[in-house]
Amino acid sequence: SYVLTQPPSVSVAPGQTARITCGGNNIGSKSVHWYQQKPGQAPVLVVYDDSDRPSGIPERFSGSNSGNTATLTISRVEAGDEADYYCQVWDSSSDHLVVFGGGTKLTVL
Amino acid sequence: EVQLVESGGGLVQPGGSLRLSCAASGFTFSSYWMSWVRQAPGKGLEWVANIKQDGSEKYYVDSVKGRFTISRDNAKNSLYLQMNSLRAEDTAVYYCARRRAGTTFVDYWGQGTLVTVSS
Repeated sequence: SYVLTQPPSVSVAPGQTARITCGGNNIGSKSVHWYQQKPGQAPVLVVYDDSDRPSGIPERFSGSNSGNTATLTISRVEAGDEADYYCQVWDSSSDHLVVFGGGTKLTVL
Repeated sequence: EVQLVESGGGLVQPGGSLRLSCAASGFTFSSYWMSWVRQAPGKGLEWVANIKQDGSEKYYVDSVKGRFTISRDNAKNSLYLQMNSLRAEDTAVYYCARRRAGTTFVDYWGQGTLVTVSS
């Protein structure tokens, strides 16, 4: 089955840029989606199809995907961005159609 | 407004059964793939099962195959997850989720229902 690998944690100071990676075999050939989850809440989609943003998501959130790594970039990080972030792909090559990364805890210092 | 409201969670003994429900509103339920996604305490998201719009296709994560059954009733705008032979490792918050039409991502999530498997 397809595996997505994320760093367990990323720390960044307010106002700086956070980059959260998601590694997978030839992930650049897939559409990658990113979710934000705050404690006690359901996940929220922040980037879909590698780099598109749903309505209501700030432009500070952006994404890219190439080769074996997809990246979620959060510019001008704010305290309210502190959360867990998950990448996700649809793996049509197996019965495991939905695959999530292990998640990355973003800490705003 | 799209709403997904789960119910049916609770405490169950190992080997027991539980049926989760998800009441959908605010959209044409029969037009969407639906999913169950779970999250064990302090852990990440894990996809559990998917079901096609008409129920003709169902997919499961290996760890629940043969024990869990996803189903839907489009007339009642409801999604279900029948969970049998429950194990301690099935303890999690279970989310009902809608896949946006024509895409591969979830655009709406319920608030989740907690299932605890313990003696």
